[in-house]
Amino acid sequence: GAVVSQHPSRVICKSGTSVKIECRSLDFQATTMFWYRQFPKKSLMLMATSNEGSKATYEQGVEKDKFLINHASLTLSTLTVTSAHPEDSSFYICRVSSGIDEQFFGPGTRLTVL
Amino acid sequence: GDSVTQMEGPVTLSEEAFLTINCTYTATGYPSLFWYVQYPGEGLQLLLKATKADDKGSNKGFEATYRKETTSFHLEKGSVQVSDSAVYFCALSAGNQGGKLIFGQGTELSVKP
Repeated sequence: GAVVSQHPSRVICKSGTSVKIECRSLDFQATTMFWYRQFPKKSLMLMATSNEGSKATYEQGVEKDKFLINHASLTLSTLTVTSAHPEDSSFYICRVSSGIDEQFFGPGTRLTVL
Repeated sequence: GDSVTQMEGPVTLSEEAFLTINCTYTATGYPSLFWYVQYPGEGLQLLLKATKADDKGSNKGFEATYRKETTSFHLEKGSVQVSDSAVYFCALSAGNQGGKLIFGQGTELSVKP
């Protein structure tokens, strides 16, 4: 099956810095990737839908200027957390879709903002 | 809007006990339904799915039946193992939402030997 990678798997940064998280689809081309945020012992919250070659679609309440998404190719989407603050500390997960019933998740990136 | 509600955890069972994790949903149209599992320190993995009413998804001894009349997709396993300890997520995907998956809040399962 498809393999989805995320890099880095874990990052610690100082408050005010920006952090870029990469999501790669290794086995197939993905026109659509999804970014989720998972809080401890909580569900996954959909942040945005990333479409190759066009602007991302953000969910209500997600700041598009803070969470920049770039889907520059069919195998790579990036999420940049700009001017990170401690409340941005979370587990960020990408999902790659090849159809309604084919969903593959990345292993996640643990962001800790000091 | 569409939503998924799961029973709250944590659920603690002894090995070989019977497991049920309740999941109900609200959706317009006819969604596909999924159960995902997240083992400690790992990403989400698809456990099973059902795409239409009365379908039964099954995998690794787990089963769930798509019940349209009760809008439910309860997860069951007849005899749990310690290795089943994980967080389980119920999710739905409505065909008119461009592949969006909507998740329940997750249920943590802990199986004791």
